[in-house]
Amino acid sequence: GQQLNQSPQSMFIQEGEDVSMNCTSSSIFNTWLWYKQEPGEGPVLLIALYKAGELTSNGRLTAQFGITRKDSFLNISASIPSDVGIYFCAGPQGGSEKLVFGKGTKLTVNP
Amino acid sequence: DAGITQSPRHKVTETGTPVTLRCHQTENHRYMYWYRQDPGHGLRLIHYSYGVKDTDKGEVSDGYSVSRSKTEDFLLTLESATSSQTSVYFCAISARGRGDEKLFFGSGTQLSVL
Repeated sequence: GQQLNQSPQSMFIQEGEDVSMNCTSSSIFNTWLWYKQEPGEGPVLLIALYKAGELTSNGRLTAQFGITRKDSFLNISASIPSDVGIYFCAGPQGGSEKLVFGKGTKLTVNP
Repeated sequence: DAGITQSPRHKVTETGTPVTLRCHQTENHRYMYWYRQDPGHGLRLIHYSYGVKDTDKGEVSDGYSVSRSKTEDFLLTLESATSSQTSVYFCAISARGRGDEKLFFGSGTQLSVL
């Protein structure tokens, strides 16, 4: 099946720094979804992207749907301690309604 | 927050014993899903349901069965638990089952098989 490759696997940053992570695939996706999972909880949807080239913001978070439709980026500006968690990209597998998830980027923010 | 309750939140069991995890929703959503989360693998779909008594397999369904006798409840059963099934299990729901639709997740069940 389709796979989503997320990088980096983990990040350790200082509070106030900007963060950038990405998700790539060898297959085309028509939708990109970014979820955040806080410790001890289930993932929560942050941003959904539906069109190639689309740039969408949610507060300090900005995500982009790559022009090739094979990648997506998530940026967090001016990180704060509550940004800690695992960030997952996800998208519907080709020809089905089932979501495939990347393996996640674990973010640690040092105060 | 979406009304999703998973029970138990934590369970320790022995190899070879049956285990049932429960997901209960108050949203009246048609679609329900069971995922497992493991380090290095992210979230992988085990089984899903698209209505009462309607279920289908996901990516990692071997060793698991599910049942949905009511809209609000989706049960995941490990008939004979193995150590490889030690994981965190998440239930999720959605209204229309579309791949571009938002999933609402429960808080997870930590299962340890010794």
